[in-house]
Amino acid sequence: NAGVTQTPKFQVLKTGQSMTLQCAQDMNHNSMYWYRQDPGMGLRLIYYSASEGTTDKGEVPNGYNVSRLNKREFSLRLESAAPSQTSVYFCASSERLAGDTGELFFGEGSRLTVL
Amino acid sequence: DQQVKQNSPSLSVQEGRISILNCDYTNSMFDYFLWYKKYPAEGPTFLISISSIKDKNEDGRFTVFLNKSAKHLSLHIVPSQPGDSAVYFCAASDRYTGTASKLTFGTGTRLQVTL
Repeated sequence: NAGVTQTPKFQVLKTGQSMTLQCAQDMNHNSMYWYRQDPGMGLRLIYYSASEGTTDKGEVPNGYNVSRLNKREFSLRLESAAPSQTSVYFCASSERLAGDTGELFFGEGSRLTVL
Repeated sequence: DQQVKQNSPSLSVQEGRISILNCDYTNSMFDYFLWYKKYPAEGPTFLISISSIKDKNEDGRFTVFLNKSAKHLSLHIVPSQPGDSAVYFCAASDRYTGTASKLTFGTGTRLQVTL
């Protein structure tokens, strides 16, 4: 049982280049998320998808786009990378029912460096 | 405006002693509070949670206390073990609306358990 799988794990880009981070989950969860982690900032929500066919902005969506390809897959795209997007990106999924804690299940992360 | 705050970036504790990690929040609409543990180069993993209607939840060596009037929660680890050395994130969950679970994270506290 792989849980949440992210690719690639590492990527170096030049300013202005584009790339897509891929995420897939095998837990049959309805909701998926993209967070970024920066030193001293904790984890901040970029975009999320409450269910297949819907996406919504989180706290820091500027410079990113997302696609919920199907129930399993949720991709994050940087159209024109900037040094400020150097970060570790985490994909997560959840299936929250009434009375649940709202626990998220995270992937291992993708470390992106923009030069 | 940071809704979830962890004011101690780091904490060092001797093996066998108690570790106390603190977290403050500002939004009284949060209904669950969660603690996540993160090792280097791995994704965050869920540790323990507490409902806003309770004041204590215990799971083995880990206990979370919630003081709603002070908008403060703490994670106690007793006894601390070297394997507990990690970054701990406090997170809060919005009230259940039948859709996604958008967790708001603190900035993290790095715990080091020394021999």
